[in-house]
Amino acid sequence: EAQVTQNPRYLITVTGKKLTVTCSQNMNHEYMSWYRQDPGLGLRQIYYSMNVEVTDKGDVPEGYKVSRKEKRNFPLILESPSPNQTSLYFCATQGSGKNIQYFGAGTRLSVL
Amino acid sequence: DAKTTQPPSMDCAEGRAANLPCNHSTISGNEYVYWYRQIHSQGPQYIIHGLKNNETNEMASLIITEDRKSSTLILPHATLRDTAVYYCIVRGTGNQFYFGTGTSLTVIP
Repeated sequence: EAQVTQNPRYLITVTGKKLTVTCSQNMNHEYMSWYRQDPGLGLRQIYYSMNVEVTDKGDVPEGYKVSRKEKRNFPLILESPSPNQTSLYFCATQGSGKNIQYFGAGTRLSVL
Repeated sequence: DAKTTQPPSMDCAEGRAANLPCNHSTISGNEYVYWYRQIHSQGPQYIIHGLKNNETNEMASLIITEDRKSSTLILPHATLRDTAVYYCIVRGTGNQFYFGTGTSLTVIP
């Protein structure tokens, strides 16, 4: 079964405490991406990766880091979280030459 | 960069066709238009995509104008389970995707 798995699903943390949200996929997809969703702003792309060791900024990359050391994993790193990063985060994957993105179930992050 | 404009909300009577418009006037010639929907706060779900021609699948139909500056997603017989936020998406430069704020569709019994 095709899966995009995000962990954790829910996280409450404090300002400045580094955290990582993991994303893994079992579809051997080249393209992976992170989005954040905020009320009234829809989904905005944070970072994306076309393949291993290839990452690019999306619309709202400030305050985030990513890495793509292996094809199946694309972690999102918040080195020093701030309250304005409180949001719902989604990871997505897409196969090369395909037109369908598959989304994870989401991670709801609260930064106090 | 190519982006989209959608009405923020729409209502549709159950059993009737739901027609959701999208404006993408800056789309480039070889870029697809994609439609996704999101139920509550779940991950968005793919519906359909198209380039120039009209498309139909088991979920919906997609009508793209000849100049490609706008499109309409058609749910032929809306059900209560179709209540969701619908996103019209284009792919920008550098393989970015622009979701916008979508249209919140409410299907009324």
